[in-house]
Amino acid sequence: TQLLEQSPQFLSIQEGENLTVYCNSSSVFSSLQWYRQEPGEGPVLLVTVVTGGEVKKLKRLTFQFGDARKDSSLHITAAQPGDTGLYLCAGINTNAGKSTFGDGTTLTVKP
Amino acid sequence: ETGVTQTPRHLVMGMTNKKSLKCEQHLGHNAMYWYKQSAKKPLELMFVYNFKEQTENNSVPSRFSPECPNSSHLFLHLHTLQPEDSALYLCASSRNLAGLPYNEQFFGPGTRLTVL
Repeated sequence: TQLLEQSPQFLSIQEGENLTVYCNSSSVFSSLQWYRQEPGEGPVLLVTVVTGGEVKKLKRLTFQFGDARKDSSLHITAAQPGDTGLYLCAGINTNAGKSTFGDGTTLTVKP
Repeated sequence: ETGVTQTPRHLVMGMTNKKSLKCEQHLGHNAMYWYKQSAKKPLELMFVYNFKEQTENNSVPSRFSPECPNSSHLFLHLHTLQPEDSALYLCASSRNLAGLPYNEQFFGPGTRLTVL
């Protein structure tokens, strides 16, 4: 069974601060995805990283896939209240046709 | 209508009731999923259908019965549920599971289920 551990589980910060959340596994994935879920809604895909060492930027969000494709990080610069939500990472194993979700990081950005 | 829709958005039921959750996707996908999301476990995969065939059942109790009549529709039939089954039930769809470099899942807004 492939497991994904996310840390921290909860994070509460002030508007304007920077933060990083992590997604770690002992398994290698074909690719890794990050989703954000707002209260009362389903998760929405933010990004997919495929290549080891890949870095993708989405406005103030920077995503990195580890060189060995076992881990990933999400860095948010100058967080805003609109960034509040549950951030989920999902590892994809193409050969097995499976995706594995982490337990999520709940982020609260206070104005 | 676009994306993945779920009805109802909220459902309250007694333990002896029978109800069904409906999911519909308008994305031309071939794979559909049911997830349970609760405070104890953020996202638990329940069932997977690929080309209308059930390919995964993650030890889900028989009081949950999925049905996939075609690639666009997925149902979850509920019968004699327990209070601990109260949760957000999410449906998702994606392209074919095999042979793709990644498997992006598109989620519906979920059905908030309360079992009394």
